[in-house]
Order: sequence, then structure tokens, then C-alpha cells
Amino acid sequence: AQSVAQPEDQVNVAEGNPLTVKCTYSVSGNPYLFWYVQYPNRGLQFLLKYITGDNLVKGSYGFEAEFNKSQTSFHLKKPSALVSDSALYFCAVRDLLGSGTYKYIFGTGTRLKVLA
Amino acid sequence: GAVVSQHPSWVICKSGTSVKIECRSLDFQATTMFWYRQFPKQSLMLMATSNEGSKATYEQGVEKDKFLINHASLTLSTLTVTSAHPEDSSFYICSARRTRGLAGQETQYFGPGTRLLVL
Repeated sequence: AQSVAQPEDQVNVAEGNPLTVKCTYSVSGNPYLFWYVQYPNRGLQFLLKYITGDNLVKGSYGFEAEFNKSQTSFHLKKPSALVSDSALYFCAVRDLLGSGTYKYIFGTGTRLKVLA
Repeated sequence: GAVVSQHPSWVICKSGTSVKIECRSLDFQATTMFWYRQFPKQSLMLMATSNEGSKATYEQGVEKDKFLINHASLTLSTLTVTSAHPEDSSFYICSARRTRGLAGQETQYFGPGTRLLVL
């Protein structure tokens, strides 16, 4: 079965410093990987996705993620963190079920706290 | 980007009543929508996949008679929590699948969520 793991419950980083939020995956076949961000009492907002192509994927709000097949990782990164980036971040993988149906499997989430 | 709305954004109801939550894709058609439940400080739990014009597919452990899903059009899916009880209190989030291009590139867009509190 497909799965993703987010090993860190919380990540703290100073404003202006680079940030990394980790995600590893376990899939059979080619992975479809996603990052979403959730602000308090809000739904999830799509940040970026990897399906195929360049291993470095650029997304919204200056975020990017690097797909690393050998390490089965898809870490989210940003060169310079902002206080407004503080939120809950979810990594997800698409689990293809057959007959064209699928579902998304989400990691447990990582709370990012950017300190001023 | 694509917009998905949910209504209401929050609802308080008495135990035993039914509550309907609407999920709409505002600027695209979605043959498939998903309903999730999120407990405090936890990840999203997929409840069911809603397919336009057909019955929803429920995840294991989700009572389909308790959580009624109707996907009557390409832009609207509804989740009805029947005979709600306090343990049904949660944050319910829907998402809509958008497919674009010949290659079938797809992305899932999420609604803002509905907070349900059952007294």
C-alpha cells in the first residue's frame, strides 16, 4: 500500500532562514506526490506536486520540493522563511485503486513555526 | 487557482438532528469529489469518494447510512450527517478533482472546511 511519512511533528525556524519540511514515501510504481498547507480553521491549499519530469518542483508562495528517488523522499523547502509561512503542512501520495479511481493518502502533518 | 466552497463554514446542532454540508466547485466541473474528516491536531481521514451520478464509495469503517453523500451535479456534492451525536463533532473537508489537458493532469482542490459541533 502507498504511504507517506512526515517524521517531524513540528519544525521551528527563524525568519529569513531556509526551511525544510521532510516527507518520505513508500509506493509501488511511479509516485504522484503532493504538498498542501493548512492554516487554522481552514481547508488545505495546494502548494505543489510531482508527477514526472524535473526532480525539483517549484510551487506557490516560493516553496519548492525535491523528489529524490534513491532516498524515497520529497522534502519541502523554501530559501527564506516568513512568519506568515507558519502553518500545518501535509505531504500526500496518490493511491491508484484501479478503474481510474484513486484516493490521496496524507501524512500526519508537520507544524511549521517561523519565529520573528 | 480553482475554487471549492463549502457551506456552512460552521454549524452547531442538537444531538439527534441531521446536518447537511454542501461542497461546490465554483469554476470547474468535478466528476469526483472527496469527503474528509479531521480531528484536532490530526491528519485528514478520507471518508468517501463521491462520483457524479453514481453511489459514493465509502472507506472501511465509515457508516454509509450515517454519512449520506449525494453528488447530483458536476459542481455539487453534499454530505448529510444523519442523527448526529457529539462524537460526530469534527472538521469536515471536501475536495474536488480537476482534470485538465489531454494527458489528464489532475489536481485535488480543497474546500475551506465545515466545523460541526453537536451538543
